[in-house]
Amino acid sequence: DADVTQTPRNRITKTGKRIMLECSQTKGHDRMYWYRQDPGLGLRLIYYSFDVKDINKGEISDGYSVSRQAQAKFSLSLESAIPNQTALYFCATSDRGTSGGVWETQYFGPGTRLLVL
Amino acid sequence: GEDVEQSLFLSVREGDSSVINCTYTDSSSTYLYWYKQEPGAGLQLLTYIFSNMDMKQDQRLTVLLNKKDKHLSLRIADTQTGDSAIYFCAEMGAGNMLTFGGGTRLMVKP
Repeated sequence: DADVTQTPRNRITKTGKRIMLECSQTKGHDRMYWYRQDPGLGLRLIYYSFDVKDINKGEISDGYSVSRQAQAKFSLSLESAIPNQTALYFCATSDRGTSGGVWETQYFGPGTRLLVL
Repeated sequence: GEDVEQSLFLSVREGDSSVINCTYTDSSSTYLYWYKQEPGAGLQLLTYIFSNMDMKQDQRLTVLLNKKDKHLSLRIADTQTGDSAIYFCAEMGAGNMLTFGGGTRLMVKP
């Protein structure tokens, strides 16, 4: 979805390096998410943010940190990258809704493919 | 935690119907979704069904939900080569968070 952009699209880094992945959205959504995708494991939630001052850990937050710089921007950092963080990373957004449902449908960016050597 | 399971792979011939199955464990699921991921792209929402519905049809797509067995399926009629992709089932449970299955890779042979 062109309304959610991620940079870079591909990145190769070395073990121990700090790396930041960035996500921007023009959908005007309050909620943003970071997932990682590994083959056969689907998407697993790393962190999510329901508004600028709200940050929450997801299922697999160890080794990651995030920053919500503005409503439209949500960045993911790997403080000291390790090889098992090699994966495809997706950012997603959703609108504030009522208790669940289509109003909270998540829209995904194109992904960042990260390789940690 | 909650779990969503899918078979890894499905191969069909062009023009046939495809049925992708999904099972989930969260009895409090409100909505269930099907997403499609084409190579090099993000996830695209295909369709969804509310948990109090049994069936939803949208052009070539039919979603069936058996809430008692916690089983969800996606049927694609007249499958085309452009339907080749990975299909993810996801359920919205407690806290309005999504839990994804591992994805089913659909291969359509000409």
